[in-house]
Amino acid sequence: EAQVTQNPRYLITVTGKKLTVTCSQNMNHEYMSWYRQDPGLGLRQIYYSMNVEVTDKGDVPEGYKVSRKEKRNFPLILESPSPNQTSLYFCASSQKPGGGGNSPLHFGNGTRLTVT
Amino acid sequence: AQSVSQHNHHVILSEAASLELGCNYSYGGTVNLFWYVQYPGQHLQLLLKYFSGDPLVKGIKGFEAEFIKSKFSFNLRKPSVQWSDTAEYFCAVRSTGFQKLVFGTGTRLLVSP
Repeated sequence: EAQVTQNPRYLITVTGKKLTVTCSQNMNHEYMSWYRQDPGLGLRQIYYSMNVEVTDKGDVPEGYKVSRKEKRNFPLILESPSPNQTSLYFCASSQKPGGGGNSPLHFGNGTRLTVT
Repeated sequence: AQSVSQHNHHVILSEAASLELGCNYSYGGTVNLFWYVQYPGQHLQLLLKYFSGDPLVKGIKGFEAEFIKSKFSFNLRKPSVQWSDTAEYFCAVRSTGFQKLVFGTGTRLLVSP
């Protein structure tokens, strides 16, 4: 089954404790992206990747890191989480950037992060 | 920079009522347009999309949307909503130049039985 898998689904942590949210897709998509969803703000892009070893900042990259060493994986790293990073995070992938062509974005099930 | 506006943040309807959710975007070039739906506790799923051709697009579950280029709009419609349509709906725009998908802030729809 074609899917984007994120882990964990829920995470509670404390300020400053490094964490990684994993994302993996099995569709051989070149484009992957991370979004955060906050009430009243919709989805905002954190980072995206056009292909292996090619990553770039989205609209709200501060406090986040990503890597794309393999095509299928695109982990999101919070080196020193802060309470303002409490949010719902979604990973997404598509064959073309931003869901172009006939390949719309496929989303993972989300990771709800709470930073105390 | 491109932006997307969804004017209704919360909509409450009774079953069988008609639905129209507004979406306007600000970008003068060629765009691809999308509506995504997020059911409670779930991830976003594609409802429908417009790339070119007939500006009236039909999607899943009886939804449709009309692209009006002169108004920079892509409103979502459904003639008769059901309780199961309770969800949050996101309009998204992708400019073919920037190749970036920008989402609106979402509209929460509550359908009462």
